[in-house]
Order: sequence, then structure tokens, then C-alpha cells
Amino acid sequence: EPEVTQTPSHQVTQMGQEVILRCVPISNHLYFYWYRQILGQKVEFLVSFYNNEISEKSEIFDDQFSVERPDGSNFTLKIRSTKLEDSAMYFCASSQKGSGGYEQYFGPGTRLTVT
Amino acid sequence: GNSVTQMEGPVTLSEEAFLTINCTYTATGYPSLFWYVQYPGEGLQLLLKATKADDKGSNKGFEATYRKETTSFHLEKGSVQVSDSAVYFCALQMDSSYKLIFGSGTRLLVRP
Repeated sequence: EPEVTQTPSHQVTQMGQEVILRCVPISNHLYFYWYRQILGQKVEFLVSFYNNEISEKSEIFDDQFSVERPDGSNFTLKIRSTKLEDSAMYFCASSQKGSGGYEQYFGPGTRLTVT
Repeated sequence: GNSVTQMEGPVTLSEEAFLTINCTYTATGYPSLFWYVQYPGEGLQLLLKATKADDKGSNKGFEATYRKETTSFHLEKGSVQVSDSAVYFCALQMDSSYKLIFGSGTRLLVRP
């Protein structure tokens, strides 16, 4: 069964450093997402991406965040200058269609620790 | 704004017990509703969904009915197994949006 994969599984970085989290969505999916979960808190939406542009973003997704689909398979989340409060589990997801109750398939997550 | 409220966990049950995990929502309009499950070390997996009022979603013995009158989508299973131990997330999605809005998750622990 096709699945979403994410690398690395755990990333440790120092405050102020740039990090790139990588995801390989399911191959025939067209919509891509990033969510995050700070320890003990809810899973929060960050951004959705379709047709090589951001289709929706939350207020969390400020100028320090960016997303890219650099080739036909990868989808990345870049955090330019990490802060302590960026420490969280980051989940990538993909779906065939966007709204209307279509299933979003999630990856296993990348745990980001900012020290 | 739109939101989802789930019962606090953990919920601890003996094998073969009946499970209910409560979920209520607040939404301006009629969302699609989902239950996702997260097993240890894995990502979130869709368990079931309902896209309109009175729809019942079901999968692997789990059921939930979309109740517009009570704005609820409670998860039930008649007889839980140890392998059902996981964290369960209720979520909604509005027609006009791509994002899923999640509840805080409920941890279920089933003992043999």
C-alpha cells in the first residue's frame, strides 16, 4: 500500500539555524500539507500546497516558513531561523483532492528539537 | 472559529469492553467529520469519516454517526482489543477549506 514517507525521523538543531524537513507524498496525489504537534498539544495545520503554490496557510505559517516541491516526488518544509518554540512533531500529508472530505494520508512525522 | 472538542484521556478498558470516545464540534456550516488513529511510532491513519448529517462511518468494528442536532461525532466500538490501544483524533474539514482541524486526541489503553 502506498504511503507518505518523511526524513529525518528526528532532527536536532540549534536556535537560529535553518532546517529542511523532507517528505515524499503518495505518487498520484496532487495536494500536499504540513501539520505540526507541539508536545501535549493539538495537531495544527500549517500549510496546504497545490499546483506549485500555497493554497491555504495558517497564521502560524509566517515568513520564517516556506514550502517547496523541488522535483516530482519531494515536498519540503524549510524553517529559516529556528526558535525554541518550533520544537514539535511535524507531519506531512497528501491527498488526491483538497476539500470535500477527501482522506489525507499522513507520514510518520519528523520530531524537531531546537536547543 | 471552527473547533473540535474531545473527551480527556487516557481511557483505560479491559479487553472486550464497550468503547465510547466523545467528540463535539463547533462550525459555521456543515463540515466533513473524521476519526484518525495514531499507533505508537506511526503517523495518523484515517479510521472513518462522514461527510453529511446522519451519515454513519464505520471501519474495523468502529462506528461514528454525524449528529447535526447535537454537533457530535462520537466514536464507538462494541468490543475492544489490546491492539486498539492508540491515540484517537477527531477532526473536521469545512467545504471551503483544505485544512483538517483536530481535537486534542484521546489515548486508549486496552488491558488483556
